[in-house]
Amino acid sequence: SAVISQKPSRDICQRGTSLTIQCQVDSQVTMMFWYRQQPGQSLTLIATANQGSEATYESGFVIDKFPISRPNLTFSTLTVSNMSPEDSSIYLCSVRAPYTDTQYFGPGTRLTVL
Amino acid sequence: QQQVKQSPQSLIVQKGGISIINCAYENTAFDYFPWYQQFPGKGPALLIAIRPDVSEKKEGRFTISFNKSAKQFSLHIMDSQPGDSATYFCAASSDTGNQFYFGTGTSLTVIP
Repeated sequence: SAVISQKPSRDICQRGTSLTIQCQVDSQVTMMFWYRQQPGQSLTLIATANQGSEATYESGFVIDKFPISRPNLTFSTLTVSNMSPEDSSIYLCSVRAPYTDTQYFGPGTRLTVL
Repeated sequence: QQQVKQSPQSLIVQKGGISIINCAYENTAFDYFPWYQQFPGKGPALLIAIRPDVSEKKEGRFTISFNKSAKQFSLHIMDSQPGDSATYFCAASSDTGNQFYFGTGTSLTVIP
């Protein structure tokens, strides 16, 4: 398995500002994923982040709004830019650990935009 | 388009009863089917997973039943306990792609 931590765990932000969420893994992983989970809803993949290459975004998500960095094999950041109340959600980091089939999730960052 | 369809949306079960959650998929390329358990304020945690080469997998009180021809799989929680009250998500993925497709979730409440 993999142990994943996220910072911050929650935040309340003003409209128009940006927030950067950090994800730290206790082992080196090739693939990291960022998900959004709106209250009471399922998980929606935002993008896949591989170390050393540009993130791959899913339909409906763009780099200008959700820039991602992946500087090494244990760390990634997701920025939510120019926030609006519609961005209020839980943002989850996930990794696919080496030699396993599954994804492991961090505890999430609960974002509220006023 | 929802790649994995999950039902029911919510479920209430008496303590000691059996909880059953169902999922269906269309993409025959899927070959890995995990179930996740999520408590409020926490990230999803892997509960149990199955590959299509077996029809059933059991871990403690949790069992996955898999019907490849019907493209359906289900989670059975035996002797349900109040501590099992959580949201459960099924998912599917294929070796050729790394993306996991999640169901819409089932909110399970086990009443004492």
